[in-house]
Amino acid sequence: DAGVTQSPTHLIKTRGQQVTLRCSPKSGHDTVSWYQQALGQGPQFIFQYYEEEERQRGNFPDRFSGHQFPNYSSELNVNALLLGDSALYLCASSSWGLPNTEAFFGQGTRLTVV
Amino acid sequence: AQSVTQLDSHVSVSEGTPVLLRCNYSSSYSPSLFWYVQHPNKGLQLLLKYTSAATLVKGINGFEAEFKKSETSFHLTKPSAHMSDAAEYFCVVTVYGGATNKLIFGTGTLLAVQP
Repeated sequence: DAGVTQSPTHLIKTRGQQVTLRCSPKSGHDTVSWYQQALGQGPQFIFQYYEEEERQRGNFPDRFSGHQFPNYSSELNVNALLLGDSALYLCASSSWGLPNTEAFFGQGTRLTVV
Repeated sequence: AQSVTQLDSHVSVSEGTPVLLRCNYSSSYSPSLFWYVQHPNKGLQLLLKYTSAATLVKGINGFEAEFKKSETSFHLTKPSAHMSDAAEYFCVVTVYGGATNKLIFGTGTLLAVQP
């Protein structure tokens, strides 16, 4: 079992550009959540996808969007990048309908905006 | 609204001595609480979870935590620290969204273990 995999591991972008991050959930999981972890902070919830729809959203602007594919994998897109978007982006997978079960995290994508 | 407060941003202990990482929570209903650990360049790993069963929860690697409703606390402890325990630890509360939930993280406690 490969667990949760994210790509790429590191990324450097320029202000104003757009970026796409990818996540494959753990085998058997159908729900993907994305978190932003700024340096020295705890992860902050961005949004969650199930059945290819956004189900919950945190306090992030519309520049942050996502997608889930039929195979449950997911993408996080960020438009018009700002310096403040520099962070570790974490993907977590879980099972819909089992809210108390463990969410498994990937190793994250380190995004640097210059 | 649900939230957690980790009372110490940094904790330093000597190898072989006890570990105490403090967490207070705020929740409008009976919460589910977790502790996650993050080693450098690795993903978050679940240490233990409380979901309204036994108030003393045992986790991996010798860690345990006690849910105290009267004190709104969920402190993480370990009797004897090991060098490999050096990492960042996050206290987490869940916010239920029906069939699933989102995780609300504390700001983290960086644990250093001195030889």
